[in-house]
Amino acid sequence: GNSVTQMEGPVTLSEEAFLTINCTYTATGYPSLFWYVQYPGEGLQLLLKATKADDKGSNKGFEATYRKETTSFHLEKGSVQVSDSAVYFCALSGSYIPTFGRGTSLIVHP
Amino acid sequence: DTAVSQTPKYLVTQMGNDKSIKCEQNLGHDTMYWYKQDSKKFLKIMFSYNNKELIINETVPNRFSPKSPDKAHLNLHINSLELGDSAVYFCASSQGTSGETQYFGPGTRLLVL
Repeated sequence: GNSVTQMEGPVTLSEEAFLTINCTYTATGYPSLFWYVQYPGEGLQLLLKATKADDKGSNKGFEATYRKETTSFHLEKGSVQVSDSAVYFCALSGSYIPTFGRGTSLIVHP
Repeated sequence: DTAVSQTPKYLVTQMGNDKSIKCEQNLGHDTMYWYKQDSKKFLKIMFSYNNKELIINETVPNRFSPKSPDKAHLNLHINSLELGDSAVYFCASSQGTSGETQYFGPGTRLLVL
């Protein structure tokens, strides 16, 4: 079956630091890949997505590239802010059953 | 306008009780989901409906019963609540069943005492 593996957190950074959260997947076929973000006390919301190999998703300074050869979709941001503190979920969706990673908590200090 | 809404937001109840959580989406989507999120933020899919038909039924105790009266609504009824049912339950919707973005509700925080 499909699976998503993302790095365990928490990831703790100072403001303006560079962020990478690793995500790798196993899947049959050609799924779409997503990063969702969950702020405290809220539901998940889409951060970015990519639907085919070599596509780059980007939003709010975050980027991730769909790498089929390494089955990865790592999330990056060049300069994090305190307001980016949240839990980040990597996910894939192909046929019917969406699959989520376990989530990575990001804490950004001023 | 809230795209995906859930009621109630908080639910505190005793073991053995029966409770329901309601979900509504105004996005015109065909597919709706229920997820359970535990205290470590792990998200587990429970059920999914497409056009009112059950298409995903993961390994969930049969005390949990979803019902979709129409495409815009998906309710979750839980019988004989147990301590381990305490979690946050999220409803979500998507346009279809393959590769689409999911839109999540704000969650229902269930605490079983």
